[in-house]
Amino acid sequence: DTAVSQTPKYLVTQMGNDKSIKCEQNLGHDTMYWYKQDSKKFLKIMFSYNNKELIINETVPNRFSPKSPDKAHLNLHINSLELGDSAVYFCASTFGGSQETQYFGPGTRLLVL
Amino acid sequence: DQQVKQNSPSLSVQEGRISILNCDYTNSMFDYFLWYKKYPAEGPTFLISISSIKDKNEDGRFTVFLNKSAKHLSLHIVPSQPGDSAVYFCAATLTDSWGKLQFGAGTQVVVTP
Repeated sequence: DTAVSQTPKYLVTQMGNDKSIKCEQNLGHDTMYWYKQDSKKFLKIMFSYNNKELIINETVPNRFSPKSPDKAHLNLHINSLELGDSAVYFCASTFGGSQETQYFGPGTRLLVL
Repeated sequence: DQQVKQNSPSLSVQEGRISILNCDYTNSMFDYFLWYKKYPAEGPTFLISISSIKDKNEDGRFTVFLNKSAKHLSLHIVPSQPGDSAVYFCAATLTDSWGKLQFGAGTQVVVTP
């Protein structure tokens, strides 16, 4: 009965590969996010979708492409992986609006070799 | 450009004493502030928040203070318990920004017996 789940939990891959990370929430929320936590431990927002529409798109290389097939799912596809993409990627969800609590998934630890 | 700063990477406190975590921000437009707590290998979980129209918010052992003129907020935990050992992230956002959170780098709190 996990509220926000991510798959896979760990991902080890070679430079140049393409990979996807999936996120699902069962809270009935309408807004979902992707955050990246880099080696310096900063959590930085990458994208957000509200009702399947892209509403936040930070300065992220276009090798990263989010997709939201429905309100409960937000996936992140990364093309041509680079060493600098190694990080922990967190998905979060909430009801639309800035003062609503965001619920985070457990994170996907990506290591690019 | 890091708009939210937590200048203390770590804090050690004895069980039963007060923990005080500090956070500074540079963007005077921020109007909502949050603290998240994170255990290893888990996603951040919401702890407490405060709107810019208030200067204090209390929830059980946790109190957040906001000093808008100094662009500073702090989190007080009284009394500290071993289960409070975690990384604490300060975050700030703007109303109508679709929950775009700007996070600090986090403070690792260790509560010793």
